[in-house]
Amino acid sequence: QSVLTQPPSVSGAPGQRVTISCTGSRSNIGAGYDVHWYQQLPGTAPKLLISVNNNRPSGVPDRFSASKSGTSASLAISGLQAEDEADFYCQSYDISLSAWVFGGGTKLTVL
Amino acid sequence: QVQLVQSGTEVKKPGASVKVSCKASGYTFNNYAIHWVRQAPGQRLEWMGWINADVGNTKYSQRFQGRVTITRDTSASTAYMDLSSLRSEDTAVYYCARGAASTNWPFDYWGQGTLVTVSS
Repeated sequence: QSVLTQPPSVSGAPGQRVTISCTGSRSNIGAGYDVHWYQQLPGTAPKLLISVNNNRPSGVPDRFSASKSGTSASLAISGLQAEDEADFYCQSYDISLSAWVFGGGTKLTVL
Repeated sequence: QVQLVQSGTEVKKPGASVKVSCKASGYTFNNYAIHWVRQAPGQRLEWMGWINADVGNTKYSQRFQGRVTITRDTSASTAYMDLSSLRSEDTAVYYCARGAASTNWPFDYWGQGTLVTVSS
């Protein structure tokens, strides 16, 4: 059971907008720790996608945006493309566990 | 460019230990930290532990405390993850990722992963 809760799957048609939620608690997201999002394409290592302050590594399009409110965070993907199909993970730090923590992951399917 | 290159596939018997290496290049090794994350087949990412490459202090997930040891060799810009008392449930891909002393720093670069299979 993950400390950060994500929906197992989301889907959308090409061109549409989807959001992926990441629900935490007062010991992680609610404590003010940053939330980062990672994209894992099939059979590859995860890569950093975006951080909550919308910092994106070079090469990540601005179709990806991140936000945070209270004990939750969200990743939004607009203008869905077939190549966006992947698993997405949120990540933060938990002060009670004194550990870095990941969400359970969300599989994005582009219909 | 920043690169983390991990050692190759391992096959181990239950009860054995495995040591995975992660060689860093393209940045000043001592200025950052290295995390270890594992992913069992079809499962989520799981944080195992972290080493500050400069001072060498470590932090481990409670789940692996007592079984995992993370070390580094600054002269070789390499970090190591040693997992002991292996069981079948430890079969997974093990990743290293660059981090920092700050708890807010992301896992900004990842190694290619090392498959560890535990089987009798």
